[in-house]
Amino acid sequence: NAGVTQTPKFQVLKTGQSMTLQCAQDMNHEYMSWYRQDPGMGLRLIHYSVGAGITDQGEVPNGYNVSRSTTEDFPLRLLSAAPSQTSVYFCASSYSSGTTSTDTQYFGPGTRLTVL
Amino acid sequence: AQKVTQAQTEISVVEKEDVTLDCVYETRDTTYYLFWYKQPPSGELVFLIRRNSFDEQNEISGRYSWNFQKSTSSFNFTITASQVVDSAVYFCALSERNTGNQFYFGTGTSLTVIP
Repeated sequence: NAGVTQTPKFQVLKTGQSMTLQCAQDMNHEYMSWYRQDPGMGLRLIHYSVGAGITDQGEVPNGYNVSRSTTEDFPLRLLSAAPSQTSVYFCASSYSSGTTSTDTQYFGPGTRLTVL
Repeated sequence: AQKVTQAQTEISVVEKEDVTLDCVYETRDTTYYLFWYKQPPSGELVFLIRRNSFDEQNEISGRYSWNFQKSTSSFNFTITASQVVDSAVYFCALSERNTGNQFYFGTGTSLTVIP
């Protein structure tokens, strides 16, 4: 099992550019999520999904879009990048029960994004 | 209000010393889960432990031990005989059954073990 994979590992964007951060898992986990990590602030939830076709907002969703067309993939889109989105982004997945997941989340290696 | 508080931002210890990382949480849920993750300098997040609110038994895994006390809403992590490889940022996290769609992370404690 590859676990949770993320691409790219590093990315530099100019303000206003768009891009998609890719996330995939091969553990058949229903629950997937995106976090951003900023110095001194821990990890903050951006969006999450409890299954294919279902997504919802987390703590800091503004400026980001997600979709979940398959169980395996959960891409994160930045439509118009801003310097405030410079961060490290982590994707995670876990088992879920219905619409909740309190199970252990397993994280991808992260994507370091810089917006100039 | 912060649901998970890690008051220690940075800790430095000399190799072989014991060190305890504090975690205090806040929840009204009766069923919840607590986690610790390690983030070494390479950046990945490594799962260490998961505890549920009904199991207050302390846990030991090698040099790692965890002390869960519901009376003080704390879930502290102790590393015995610290090693340089323990240098990392450690995160405590909370997941509640009633709002189980989100993990609440603390801000992390950066541990440096000096050889």
